[in-house]
Amino acid sequence: NAGVTQTPKFQVLKTGQSMTLQCAQDMNHEYMSWYRQDPGMGLRLIHYSVGAGITDQGEVPNGYNVSRSTTEDFPLRLLSAAPSQTSVYFCASSPDRLNSPLHFGNGTRLTVT
Amino acid sequence: QKEVEQDPGPLSVPEGAIVSLNCTYSNSAFQYFMWYRQYSRKGPELLMYTYSSGNKEDGRFTAQVDKSSKYISLFIRDSQPSDSATYLCAMSGGGFKTIFGAGTRLFVKA
Repeated sequence: NAGVTQTPKFQVLKTGQSMTLQCAQDMNHEYMSWYRQDPGMGLRLIHYSVGAGITDQGEVPNGYNVSRSTTEDFPLRLLSAAPSQTSVYFCASSPDRLNSPLHFGNGTRLTVT
Repeated sequence: QKEVEQDPGPLSVPEGAIVSLNCTYSNSAFQYFMWYRQYSRKGPELLMYTYSSGNKEDGRFTAQVDKSSKYISLFIRDSQPSDSATYLCAMSGGGFKTIFGAGTRLFVKA
């Protein structure tokens, strides 16, 4: 049972480049979400999904897109990378949207130069 | 004012000490309270999960929730160097998605 798997672990981008961060879970969880973690600011919600085909914005969605074509996968796309998007990105899943604890992946460390 | 306030530390204690970690919050609708532990370069992992007010104990860890004061605590007894990590409080409920504190860095010295 792998839980939540994120790839890649590390990535360096130049300003303006685009990329996709991958997230997959094998727990059949309906709810999946993306967070970014910055020093002193905690985890901030970027986008989330309550099931295949359904996505919504979180607290800091600008510059990011998501889609959910299957229950297992929830990729995060950076459209045109900016230095302000340098951060550690975590994908998380849970059985439901609100009251169940989240299961996290081990993160993707992204640097935008 | 942030919805959840958590002292970032760092907190440094000797091995065997009792550690107290705390968070305050402003939204009285929160009903579910969690503590996550995050080791360096890893994702957060759930440590404690409680509903409403009261205490919950699991081994060396005790979580306390005081909803009247909007204050939650995590106590670690007989702290070990392996407890060195960042501890994140989190809360949800009342239709609100999970909100995280900024995390407290803990160092336990052997």
